[in-house]
Amino acid sequence: GAVVSQHPSWVICKSGTSVKIECRSLDFQATTMFWYRQFPKQSLMLMATSNEGSKATYEQGVEKDKFLINHASLTLSTLTVTSAHPEDSSFYICSARVQRETEAFFGQGTRLTVV
Amino acid sequence: AQSVTQPDIHITVSEGASLELRCNYSYGATPYLFWYVQSPGQGLQLLLKYFSGDTLVQGIKGFEAEFKRSQSSFNLRKPSVHWSDAAEYFCAVGAFNQGGKLIFGQGTELSVKP
Repeated sequence: GAVVSQHPSWVICKSGTSVKIECRSLDFQATTMFWYRQFPKQSLMLMATSNEGSKATYEQGVEKDKFLINHASLTLSTLTVTSAHPEDSSFYICSARVQRETEAFFGQGTRLTVV
Repeated sequence: AQSVTQPDIHITVSEGASLELRCNYSYGATPYLFWYVQSPGQGLQLLLKYFSGDTLVQGIKGFEAEFKRSQSSFNLRKPSVHWSDAAEYFCAVGAFNQGGKLIFGQGTELSVKP
């Protein structure tokens, strides 16, 4: 099956710094990538949808200036958490979809801890 | 409003016993339905999916699910649970005209007793 890789798997950063998470589709070209956030013992909440070469579409309540998403190529999307705060600590998961396919494939997730 | 409900937050079954995890959805468009499993600290693994056709779908690891449109349900079943099935299970719904984004249920944590 299609493989989606996230990097890093876990990261610890200081409050006020920025951290970048990468999401790569390894064996297919992903026209659309999705970023989800998961708090402990909770479900996944969609943060934004990114299409290659265009601006991301953010879900209601997600600060686009805080969570910068770039989808510069068909195999890479990045999520940058700017000026991170402890409340941004969470599990971030991306998924990638080929155009006109119904299934998206998930990465293994990134555990972000802000101290 | 679009939503997915998994009524059971936590279920405990004995190893070898049968399992059914419930999922109900509310979705305006024709839904595509998924079940994912997540081990602690890990990403999501797709167990099975329903797009159209036969309403009983078979998945990996011996799981199956049945789509019942009249009940807006997509319950996951397994005839005999193994200890390795202990994990978090998520039901999700999407539609092609939504661009592939998914709405997830709250999840059901499965514990397996020896």
